[in-house]
Amino acid sequence: EVQLVESGGGLVQPGGSLRLSCAASGFTFSSSWMSWVRQAPGKGLDWVAIIKQHESEGYSADSVKGRFTISRDNAKNSLYLQMNSLRVEDTAVYYCAGGPGGYWGQGTLVTVSS
Amino acid sequence: QAVVTQEPSLTVSPGGTVTLTCGSSTGAVTSGQWPYWFQQKPGQAPRTLIYDTSNKHSWTPARFSGSLLGGKAALTLSGAQPEDEAEYYCWLSYSGTKWVFGGGTKLTVL
Repeated sequence: EVQLVESGGGLVQPGGSLRLSCAASGFTFSSSWMSWVRQAPGKGLDWVAIIKQHESEGYSADSVKGRFTISRDNAKNSLYLQMNSLRVEDTAVYYCAGGPGGYWGQGTLVTVSS
Repeated sequence: QAVVTQEPSLTVSPGGTVTLTCGSSTGAVTSGQWPYWFQQKPGQAPRTLIYDTSNKHSWTPARFSGSLLGGKAALTLSGAQPEDEAEYYCWLSYSGTKWVFGGGTKLTVL
């Protein structure tokens, strides 16, 4: 059974940092593109970043470029999102997505507020 | 910055057929943009219905199908059921380095 389990969300002040993790199982993680997608309260889906199978660098949306960094550890079947210089508008549920045909985790809530 | 467009809302009768479309501001949508279709119900995480234009997951009901139609990606629902009422999102790749979601289509089965 494929599982994607996100962790690391929480409440952080503007300008602060958080690191999200996604533990993958049930598929060959190292062979899959992986992505982070977010959804602000009451809004649509918003692509954040994506990383290819064996690459150390990924690609990110203009809205987070220079602040967020996607990475992966294929030995640990894990995906990460380092989020720096957080803004109020980054408040959202963050989903890990990927694997063959696109599986989704249940999401982790990030709230940026003073 | 590419913009992906979807119908904001559509209504279909139970047992009826409806087609949701996904267009790109950069021109015709191609299979090389690996169109995805996701379904999201209130309070739930999205789930993938269609990937790479027309491929289905094991959980995708047979009444859903994906295609390219008139320069757009399309999701066709044939024989709508009440449980198909949901928000539907498409997702397109731009050169594999940028991915853009459409704004979503709220589908009502009524």
